[in-house]
Amino acid sequence: EVHLVESGGGLVQPGRSLRLSCAASGFTFDDYAMHWVRQRPGKGLEWVSGIGWNSGSIGYADSVKGRFTISREMKSLYLQMNSLRVEDTGLYYCAKDIGAGAVALDSWGQGTLVAVSS
Amino acid sequence: EIVLTQSPATVSSSPGERATLSCRASQNIYNYLAWYQQRPGQAPRLLIYDASNRATGISARFSGSGSGTDFTLTISSLQPEDFAVYYCQQRSKWPITFGPGTRLDFK
Repeated sequence: EVHLVESGGGLVQPGRSLRLSCAASGFTFDDYAMHWVRQRPGKGLEWVSGIGWNSGSIGYADSVKGRFTISREMKSLYLQMNSLRVEDTGLYYCAKDIGAGAVALDSWGQGTLVAVSS
Repeated sequence: EIVLTQSPATVSSSPGERATLSCRASQNIYNYLAWYQQRPGQAPRLLIYDASNRATGISARFSGSGSGTDFTLTISSLQPEDFAVYYCQQRSKWPITFGPGTRLDFK
């Protein structure tokens, strides 16, 4: 069974940094692209970033480009978040790509909460 | 970026009824569309990918159709657990984008 567990969230002041982690198990991690998706309080889903199975392709939402960096190593996915803004507040989900050329997110963690406030 | 519009924003139905949810893309996305269900307090769950393919373990009551710019998610014979928020998502071009969601409420 696929299991994704996010960690690293917390309360941080604007302009500071956080690093989110996602521990993956139950599947061959190296075979799948992975993504971060966030959900602001009471709002919809927003794709944040994705990384290919071999880190060869990486993408970011315009709202985080230049501030966030996605990476992967062993069985973990990371999101380095710098220059945080109040609008980055939300629940951050780690999600596994379905694979086979289709970008759909077939497994999700329970999320880690990021709160950016002074 | 490709903008997805979902309609209606809220749909009210009763158990046993059929629900039809729509998603429209701002440009041609071929069949590169997925649908998700999110129940309160839970992570999203993939229902449909590539417009019409049911994800593993998803009931046959859920079906997807469409191509190009107009897509539909149909839920036949609504069950109590189906009352949730539904999102569409495109993968035709990065950045990947989601629609704003349709809330399916009890009538």
